[in-house]
Amino acid sequence: DGGITQSPKYLFRKEGQNVTLSCEQNLNHDAMYWYRQDPGQGLRLIYYSQIVNDFQKGDIAEGYSVSREKKESFPLTVTSAQKNPTAFYLCASSPMVVGPQHFGDGTRLSIL
Amino acid sequence: AQSVTQPDIHITVSEGASLELRCNYSYGATPYLFWYVQSPGQGLQLLLKYFSGDTLVQGIKGFEAEFKRSQSSFNLRKPSVHWSDAAEYFCAVGYMEYGNKLVFGAGTILRVKS
Repeated sequence: DGGITQSPKYLFRKEGQNVTLSCEQNLNHDAMYWYRQDPGQGLRLIYYSQIVNDFQKGDIAEGYSVSREKKESFPLTVTSAQKNPTAFYLCASSPMVVGPQHFGDGTRLSIL
Repeated sequence: AQSVTQPDIHITVSEGASLELRCNYSYGATPYLFWYVQSPGQGLQLLLKYFSGDTLVQGIKGFEAEFKRSQSSFNLRKPSVHWSDAAEYFCAVGYMEYGNKLVFGAGTILRVKS
């Protein structure tokens, strides 16, 4: 079955450490997205990419970085500059035209 | 700027009762509208979408939604709620001129009492 795989499901970060969240899709979608979810705030866009080797900042990109070296993969790095990284992170993908986004099952990041 | 408002943070309904979750969008252009559902610790699942045409759209799990341009609304309804419908529901809007980015509401948590 086609879908989006996020790993790991749970991740713990120490102070001053960078951590990378994985997102892989086999839907052949051109666009991919990273969202941060905090209780009562809905989904906030961190970064998105519409084509390989290109990506744009979303509304809350500070303290995060991404890469898009392959169409199928869009990893997110939470850097030590992100002072409040505890959240649920969701990856999504969609075709290039406006339409529904398809979501992975998320990664919950916590601070040790 | 685009925004989506879901006025109700929590809603509690009895099993078997009808349900309506409210969603309003702010931007005046022709929107593309979506409803998603999220169970705890899971990703979002698409319930239904509106692009054009008939303003009453049917979705999965017995849900429907009606697009009302005059009220800038896209409310989600279900005639009879089941205990398994307890979850968080998100409304989202997109616009052709903004590409394939979506703006999400803050969500409504549905509790079902037996």
